[in-house]
Amino acid sequence: ETGVTQSPTHLIKTRGQQVTLRCSSQSGHNTVSWYQQALGQGPQFIFQYYREEENGRGNFPPRFSGLQFPNYSSELNVNALELDDSALYLCASSPRPQETQYFGPGTRLLVL
Amino acid sequence: GESVGLHLPTLSVQEGDNSIINCAYSNSASDYFIWYKQESGKGPQFIIDIRSNMDKRQGQRVTVLLNKTVKHLSLQIAATQPGDSAVYFCAESLLTNQAGTALIFGKGTTLSVSS
Repeated sequence: ETGVTQSPTHLIKTRGQQVTLRCSSQSGHNTVSWYQQALGQGPQFIFQYYREEENGRGNFPPRFSGLQFPNYSSELNVNALELDDSALYLCASSPRPQETQYFGPGTRLLVL
Repeated sequence: GESVGLHLPTLSVQEGDNSIINCAYSNSASDYFIWYKQESGKGPQFIIDIRSNMDKRQGQRVTVLLNKTVKHLSLQIAATQPGDSAVYFCAESLLTNQAGTALIFGKGTTLSVSS
């Protein structure tokens, strides 16, 4: 176990709704990254947060947004859900931005 | 575009055999590479990493080889066990334009170990 926790484990939403996913980083880690993993694919980088600031973003639209809190936990928010947003959402924490990322178990989101 | 790919989508071995999983990367500026193991329904689990100033690194039953000349990475698993059955991803660490890092993953190789 990495010490990275995510909630909820599973979620079902309908198109157009909004969703918030949560992540608690491993103790001592101040950097959190979020990834989207579609079925049968490798994870794709969404964004990274370091000391409450976004310090990198992948090719995802602005309706994907995030926050990092003073205790280094993080949220991923997705607005106006689309069917293609159905995926496993992974959070990873690291001691610093350029160090090894350790993943949580993920949140499986199904959009109907 | 920049991507990390794997040569074979599946690999089947017998228990006790050695397994070799290959990966090609395209960004010659990459200086950090990681192998992850992902079991069904779980998040990726760190196995071993290597920086570009090395060409080989060993862990417990695993070895990673890096060939920067041909931009190739491999993971060797010695004495493969049924518990090694999973999807294996190589990932390339790239700097973002805001001094962060993004991991770029390939599609993965599914390793099946039969006893």
